[in-house]
Formats: sequence, C-alpha cells, structure tokens
Amino acid sequence: NFMLTQPHSVSESPGKTVTISCTGSSGSIASNYVQWYQQRPGSAPTTVIYEDNQRPSGVPDRFSGSIDSSSNSASLTISGLKTEDEADYYCQSYDSSTYVVFGGGTKLTVL
Amino acid sequence: QVQLQESGPGLVKPSQTLSLTCTVSGGSISSGSYYWSWIRQPAGKGLEWIGHIYTSGSTKYNPSLKSRATISVDTSKNQFSLNLSSVTAADTAVYYCASSSWLRGRFDPWGQGTLVTVSS
Repeated sequence: NFMLTQPHSVSESPGKTVTISCTGSSGSIASNYVQWYQQRPGSAPTTVIYEDNQRPSGVPDRFSGSIDSSSNSASLTISGLKTEDEADYYCQSYDSSTYVVFGGGTKLTVL
Repeated sequence: QVQLQESGPGLVKPSQTLSLTCTVSGGSISSGSYYWSWIRQPAGKGLEWIGHIYTSGSTKYNPSLKSRATISVDTSKNQFSLNLSSVTAADTAVYYCASSSWLRGRFDPWGQGTLVTVSS
C-alpha cells in the first residue's frame, strides 16, 4: 500500500524558514498531485498548497510547495515564520488506484 | 460559495451503525462534477479518508474499512450521508465531510466536523 511519511514534529523560531517533508513509500510521488493542509486545534483542515505548488487565494506567498523526484518526496516550505503558523500540517495525495492517502501529520512549533 | 455541515448522533453504541449527514449549501449537490467525501480523525491522530460519492452516484471506499462504509446522496435534500456498520471504540473520531472538484483534486471546502463517540 502506498503511504506518505512525514516527520512527527518540527520547530523553528519566528522569522526563520522551515521545511516539512512528505516521502512516498513506493512508485513515483510525482505521478499524482500533492496537497498540503494546515489544521489548527479544534478546526477543520484548510488547504495551503494544492497540485504540488499552487497556493489558494488568501494563502500568503510565505508558503510554497515542491516535488523532488530523486527522493520521491514533496516538501512544504514556510518562510518568515509567524506564531500563527503553529499548527499541524498534513500532506495528501493518491495511490495508483486513486485511493486518497494522507501523511501522518507534522506538528509545527514556532518558538 | 459552497459550505458543508455535518450532523448526526454524537454517541453510538458498539456493534451498531453510525449514521451521519452532510448538508450542502450555496450550491447544488447534483450540479457539476464533484466528489463528496467523508474523512475522519481520531483524537490526537491523523486524517483517514473513508470514501466518496461522485455526482453520478458511483462510490469508492477505503479498503481498510472492510466494506463497513456506505455513502449515499439525497439530491432532493442536497445532502450526502455516511453509514458505518458494526462500530467499535476504534471508530470514535471527528468526522468531516469535504468535497473535491476532480478525482485527484484537493479537498475544499470541509465541514466543521462532528465528534462521534462509540461507547455503551
């Protein structure tokens, strides 16, 4: 079964840049688009990146997404960190049968 | 702008069937080409996709649920529903409904989520 693996947690200081990885277990992660969701406590997830590197309107350009085929991974990069960016982040994609797959989530701490 | 709202019992007994409804507002559930999904999240854990129903009525489910899930649509009420049979404590979670505009698309929007507890 296709799985997406994320680090359990990352932390960084305000104003710095952090990158969260999402590694595919098999096949090519580039075969299907990757989305990234932000989830604050008690709230539903919201999209910060879709289709690998697209930002929905209203999401600041401090958020960016990329794909690295050599490591079969996707990355979410947040620059100029703000305390309000502290949240859980989930990557999501599809397997070869178009079943939805979520990564396990990464807790971002901004301290 | 389409909005989604989950509703249903917050407490279900073990071995019974969990039934939830998602009401779609701001648009018609039968117009366009959309995938209407259910996603759940146990407390302190990650997201798990349960399945979806397409505008045409075709469905797809997460194999891990071993055929316990059924998703249906009621176009007259602009709603879609989830039935999950033979529930156990492991099915205790916040349940979200969400939509995507194509088969490999992002989930947007999401409902606010509803907590379902399985307990006697």
